Amino acid sequence: SAVISQKPSRDICQRGTSLTIQCQVDSQVTMMFWYRQQPGQSLTLIATANQGSEATYESGFVIDKFPISRPNLTFSTLTVSNMSPEDSSIYLCSVPGGAGGQTQYFGPGTRLLVL
Amino acid sequence: AQSVTQLDSQVPVFEEAPVELRCNYSSSVSVYLFWYVQYPNQGLQLLLKYLSGSTLVKGINGFEAEFNKSQTSFHLRKPSVHISDTAEYFCAVSPSGGYQKVTFGIGTKLQVIP
Repeated sequence: SAVISQKPSRDICQRGTSLTIQCQVDSQVTMMFWYRQQPGQSLTLIATANQGSEATYESGFVIDKFPISRPNLTFSTLTVSNMSPEDSSIYLCSVPGGAGGQTQYFGPGTRLLVL
Repeated sequence: AQSVTQLDSQVPVFEEAPVELRCNYSSSVSVYLFWYVQYPNQGLQLLLKYLSGSTLVKGINGFEAEFNKSQTSFHLRKPSVHISDTAEYFCAVSPSGGYQKVTFGIGTKLQVIP
């Protein structure tokens, strides 16, 4: 299984500012995923980040709000831009694993509170 | 498209008692099924998965789940819970056959009472 770290682990931010979340994997992976877990809700996929191409965003998420970088096969960043209190969530990155990539391995998450 | 329904948002259970966390899914294609656990202030960890074969799947920490295709269910069970099992449990589904988008349920909070 992959070992995934995220920075920061938590942050408190003011509305209107932006925060960049980093995700580091201990092995090279083609695909990385970013999820949002809003309070009391399940995980929602924000986007899929492939190295060397633009991220693919899910319905309801746009690049201007959640720009993603994928500079190499072990690293990705997600920026939450122009934050509002509604952006207060846990943000998780994950990578596929297991034979055929059916399983997902998750990072510890970044807990964001926007005031 | 797939969907997952976790029927109980919270399940309190006394220590050493058995527990069942319910999960139903809907899909027009064959699926893979998963249970993930999220301990407080941590990310998600895979408990077990059903890909094919035996419908009874055993996972880590003494948990098991049974895939029931006719009832479109994948309930999670443990015969005797421990305080350390207190966590949130997520059922998830994806179309079978290589990596596909995973859809998660809303989660069930298991509270083990000493």
